[in-house]
Amino acid sequence: AQSVAQPEDQVNVAEGNPLTVKCTYSVSGNPYLFWYVQYPNRGLQFLLKYITGDNLVKGSYGFEAEFNKSQTSFHLKKPSALVSDSALYFCAVSFPNNAGNMLTFGGGTRLMVKP
Amino acid sequence: GAVVSQHPSWVICKSGTSVKIECRSLDFQATTMFWYRQFPKQSLMLMATSNEGSKATYEQGVEKDKFLINHASLTLSTLTVTSAHPEDSSFYICSAPGPTYEQYFGPGTRLTVT
Repeated sequence: AQSVAQPEDQVNVAEGNPLTVKCTYSVSGNPYLFWYVQYPNRGLQFLLKYITGDNLVKGSYGFEAEFNKSQTSFHLKKPSALVSDSALYFCAVSFPNNAGNMLTFGGGTRLMVKP
Repeated sequence: GAVVSQHPSWVICKSGTSVKIECRSLDFQATTMFWYRQFPKQSLMLMATSNEGSKATYEQGVEKDKFLINHASLTLSTLTVTSAHPEDSSFYICSAPGPTYEQYFGPGTRLTVT
């Protein structure tokens, strides 16, 4: 069975500092990996994805993530955090043969960026 | 980019009544849509996969007679919470797959059952 783990319930960072939100996965085969962000009382917004190719992927709002196959990780990073980045972040995995590209989500990590 | 809408954005209903939530893909077609439930400060729980032209596929533990799903067209799926009770109060989110593997999510519907 496939699973996604986000080991930190919350990450606190000061504005202007780099941030990392961790994600590890346990799957067989070659997964597709995603990051989504959720603001209060809103749906999820797509940030970035890894399908194939370059392990470092860049996404929306200055975020990036690195696919590390040996460590089965896909950590989300940003060089300089903004207060407006404070939100709930979800890592997710899918497979090429998943009907409708169905996602399996991690538990979510709340990012708090303090001024 | 692709847009998914949900209606209503919030609803309050009395215990025992039924509530219908609509999920629409506005600028693309979706033969499959997904319905999720989210409790405060928790992750999304997949409830069911909505399939255009066929029955929905429900996840284990989700009552199909309580959460009725109808995928009426290539752009519309509905979730009806029948005989709602306070424990059904939650945030319901739908999604539809895009052309390049990601999902597009609706803005969510906050259901409160009194």
